[in-house]
Amino acid sequence: DVKVTQSSRYLVKRTGEKVFLECVQDMDHENMFWYRQDPGLGLRLIYFSYDVKMKEKGDIPEGYSVSREKKERFSLILESASTNQTSMYLCASSLEGQGNQPQHFGDGTRLSIL
Amino acid sequence: QQQVKQSPQSLIVQKGGISIINCAYENTAFDYFPWYQQFPGKGPALLIAIRPDVSEKKEGRFTISFNKSAKQFSLHIMDSQPGDSATYFCAASRSFKAAGNKLTFGGGTRVLVKP
Repeated sequence: DVKVTQSSRYLVKRTGEKVFLECVQDMDHENMFWYRQDPGLGLRLIYFSYDVKMKEKGDIPEGYSVSREKKERFSLILESASTNQTSMYLCASSLEGQGNQPQHFGDGTRLSIL
Repeated sequence: QQQVKQSPQSLIVQKGGISIINCAYENTAFDYFPWYQQFPGKGPALLIAIRPDVSEKKEGRFTISFNKSAKQFSLHIMDSQPGDSATYFCAASRSFKAAGNKLTFGGGTRVLVKP
């Protein structure tokens, strides 16, 4: 069965801290994604990666960076956390192939920045 | 600026009723339109999807209607059940390799089905 695992369900950090959110998938998927989910705004793409060490900016990359050193792991980094980054963060993965492949999501990390 | 606009934000329907969620998109290059369902505490999961070469797709009690000229598509949940209570997201993407399977999501609709 498809599995995307996010390391923390809940996280509380302080303004200015460097924050790491980790995501692991066990499906050998090429594509991995980081979204933030806010009420009324749906899911907004922060960054995605289509291969190891490859990354592309999504719609709202400011204040974030990512790392993909291994195919199964995709990390989201908040360089200097701010209160407006308090949100639900969702990781997803998908196969690269002909046509559109479904994205498989983790259960999210609820991050609070105090 | 939201490229995919979804309405309503929330919906209450009686058991057995029909839930209807509407989405409108701007980018005519979009050619794949999935719907995702999210239960509380869980990540979204693909529910049903449609391509613009068909006007309707049905899977069980869930139907997508697609109007290419109006750039609109909708999800109908027939015979709504309490277990359908969830947040529903429409999305759109372009299906060529350079797009990387990127999805643009609507704002979401919270559906509550009352018994």
